[in-house]
Amino acid sequence: KQEVTQIPAALSVPEGENLVLNCSFTDSAIYNLQWFRQDPGKGLTSLLLIQSSQREQTSGRLNASLDKSSGRSTLYIAASQPGDSATYLCAVPYNNNDMRFGAGTRLTVKP
Amino acid sequence: DGGITQSPKYLFRKEGQNVTLSCEQNLNHDAMYWYRQDPGQGLRLIYYSQIVNDFQKGDIAEGYSVSREKKESFPLTVTSAQKNPTAFYLCASTLGRGTDTQYFGPGTRLTVL
Repeated sequence: KQEVTQIPAALSVPEGENLVLNCSFTDSAIYNLQWFRQDPGKGLTSLLLIQSSQREQTSGRLNASLDKSSGRSTLYIAASQPGDSATYLCAVPYNNNDMRFGAGTRLTVKP
Repeated sequence: DGGITQSPKYLFRKEGQNVTLSCEQNLNHDAMYWYRQDPGQGLRLIYYSQIVNDFQKGDIAEGYSVSREKKESFPLTVTSAQKNPTAFYLCASTLGRGTDTQYFGPGTRLTVL
């Protein structure tokens, strides 16, 4: 059974700092991995989808990496801003119609 | 604008009542999903539907029911059999398979009084 873990559960950094969020999964036979952002009381917004054949995917200040063999993905955020404050979740497809989500990392960027 | 709408944003339920959460999408997506989110936990799948008039149970379907009579609509009913329904409910859709990018609605927060 696929399990997804995100550590740390919460992270607080000063504005301008580069940071890394971690995601690990137990079954390395994944099709892809998605990173989402969730603002308080809101739905999820897809940030990046990285295919199993890819090592990295970039969008603006965000860079996601994937290491299937070790069951890990990281989301790198460059030059963090207060507007980046949110919860970041990773998810992997499971049984083709289900998604397994991590519990998320709650990020606070202090001005 | 294409997207997913959910209503209501907040819903209060008395003990023993059934309530229905609405989810509508105009993305022309085939597949739709209902998730439940509890504090400090990841999303858990309640039901999903790949095509009209067909739906499948997820991990936590007990106490919930759905219908898919139209491609754009996937309402969720929380029945009185669901003993702990207080949670944040999220509807999502994908173009085809569950491996595609998931698009989410804004959510409905259900509270049992």
